[in-house]
Amino acid sequence: QVQLQESGPGLVKPSETLSLTCAVSGYSISSDYYWGWIRQPPGKGLDWIGSISQSGDTYYNPSLKSRVAISGDTSKKQFSLKLTSVTAADTAVYYCARHLSSSGYPIDYWGQGTLVTVSP
Amino acid sequence: QSALTQEASVSGTVGQKVTLSCIGNSNNIGRDAVGWYQQISHGAPKTVMFGNSLPSGIPDRFSGSKSGATASLTISGLQPEDEADYYCSTWDYSLSAWVFGGGTKLTVL
Repeated sequence: QVQLQESGPGLVKPSETLSLTCAVSGYSISSDYYWGWIRQPPGKGLDWIGSISQSGDTYYNPSLKSRVAISGDTSKKQFSLKLTSVTAADTAVYYCARHLSSSGYPIDYWGQGTLVTVSP
Repeated sequence: QSALTQEASVSGTVGQKVTLSCIGNSNNIGRDAVGWYQQISHGAPKTVMFGNSLPSGIPDRFSGSKSGATASLTISGLQPEDEADYYCSTWDYSLSAWVFGGGTKLTVL
């Protein structure tokens, strides 16, 4: 059974860097899937942040590309998100997820999500 | 403004068949399969359909289809536990981004 679990600080100050990690169990991140981050601001819909392939190629939402970095650590079975220069608009529940590498790249497994609040 | 357009709200009674739609264009739904995600009471999303495939554990009253640039999720025999927000998604080749619809709030009357 594949499980994903987000971890990281729940409170980040404006202009600082948000850092989250997603621990994966039940599957190797170096196998044939993509691993992504999605966020949901309070009361709003889902928004894709970016994803990393099993070979380490990264894909980012163009609207966030200048501030985002996603990396993977196969030995630790985890992948990470860094979002720089955060503002209150980055306050959201952050989910990690596994994408299929097939048409449309649908997600099959989601983490439980972690709320990150950007506040002084 | 989402790249994929969904109804803001849909309602139905227990046992009824309801269809949710997701409208895109030739650069997204017209080219790739669509995933559908259920979110109950702002909890973590759960995948209920990808392409025409039903994930393990999802009841077969859920089904998916696509015609041109419009994808649909049909729930046959609506149940109270189906009340949730539903989101569609796929890859957009012109935006080079994975895109979501704005979500449909399904109410079971």
